[in-house]
Amino acid sequence: LAKTTQPISMDSYEGQEVNITCSHNNIATNDYITWYQQFPSQGPRFIIQGYKTKVTNEVASLFIPADRKSSTLSLPRVSLSDTAVYYCLWGSSTLGRLYFGRGTQLTVWP
Amino acid sequence: SAVISQKPSRDICQRGTSLTIQCQVDSQVTMMFWYRQQPGQSLTLIATANQGSEATYESGFVIDKFPISRPNLTFSTLTVSNMSPEDSSIYLCSVTLPGEVYNEQFFGPGTRLTVL
Repeated sequence: LAKTTQPISMDSYEGQEVNITCSHNNIATNDYITWYQQFPSQGPRFIIQGYKTKVTNEVASLFIPADRKSSTLSLPRVSLSDTAVYYCLWGSSTLGRLYFGRGTQLTVWP
Repeated sequence: SAVISQKPSRDICQRGTSLTIQCQVDSQVTMMFWYRQQPGQSLTLIATANQGSEATYESGFVIDKFPISRPNLTFSTLTVSNMSPEDSSIYLCSVTLPGEVYNEQFFGPGTRLTVL
């Protein structure tokens, strides 16, 4: 099974940039790194995914070093509404199976 | 994107009974998945349900306990059989859309099950 390691919790203040790092030492050659966000009482929501280097969308950036053994999700200028659990995961989309790690509880304070 | 609904949204059941959870998608999809999320925990994949074939179960989950139906491309059910308090969890279904982003799955709102 895919296995990832990320901090259990992080705190930040509104307007700051938040970086959450995830380790995935055994990632397979063909797999992508994907991040999801989950609010209480909701299903997870896809944020971003990448294979290598840097990916940016309207929500976040994802930095992946050349060895692909880790990745960093960057949330620019967080707000209170970014308080959620963030999951780093990788999996084989050809099989469709995604394996979620423990996730990082991000709490944004005013 | 896909809009997914689940029924019921929550239920309280007695030990030894069974509950069937429905998952409806607003578009035709090939791959549907069922997850379990125990209180305060991460999501665990139960099984993959593809239309026209038997569901594929992950290690630790068996068909007798979690039978799954997939009668068409927009609907699936998961039954939690012979329930015990340990089955108290949120059960979520998800789908992938053909031709869309590699690992992007769309999740339903979940069914919160409490077993007494």
